Amino acid sequence: EAGVVQSPRYKIIEKKQPVAFWCNPISGHNTLYWYLQNLGQGPELLIRYENEEAVDDSQLPKDRFSAERLKGVDSTLKIQPAELGDSAVYLCASSPDPRVETQYFGPGTRLLVL
Amino acid sequence: GQQLNQSPQSMFIQEGEDVSMNCTSSSIFNTWLWYKQDPGEGPVLLIALYKAGELTSNGRLTAQFGITRKDSFLNISASIPSDVGIYFCAGLSAGYALNFGKGTSLLVTP
Repeated sequence: EAGVVQSPRYKIIEKKQPVAFWCNPISGHNTLYWYLQNLGQGPELLIRYENEEAVDDSQLPKDRFSAERLKGVDSTLKIQPAELGDSAVYLCASSPDPRVETQYFGPGTRLLVL
Repeated sequence: GQQLNQSPQSMFIQEGEDVSMNCTSSSIFNTWLWYKQDPGEGPVLLIALYKAGELTSNGRLTAQFGITRKDSFLNISASIPSDVGIYFCAGLSAGYALNFGKGTSLLVTP
């Protein structure tokens, strides 16, 4: 069974540029999460989807971050414009049900903003 | 989210040694989870704890949910080189937002 797929794996951009990350969850997983992981820290939840509905986006900085999961499968996380402090790993996770302990993480996208 | 204090920050041990790490919080949690993260990968769940006092094992790993519900520990017995990685505790109080610690980095020498 394929795991959570994320792309790109690495991204280097200049500040003020836009950037987008893509996530393909495990087949059949209705719940999808986006996390931010800063260096030396644990992951922090940005947004959680149940199918195509964003049920918790309270930690998403909405001035520059946006996310979508139009058909309830793949998801895209966008930053526009990127700032130096956005350099981090962006992790996607999916789970077959809302229980957080059932979530599987993808390998992440490592973003470096110069 | 609530602050989780994970210690030690890093450990450097020899193969075969036992390892112990813990996580404390000023807040009560209903669920404690322990994850391992390898370089370049996402965290993988090792053990989930749901009740105060619960002691759960997964192979060479043993974790306990503290009686006060404010702490948890993870033990690894007879460490091997593939145990190398970063171990995170995570607590869940309500909803679905996990609070992660900062991790314990484990290095194992042959």
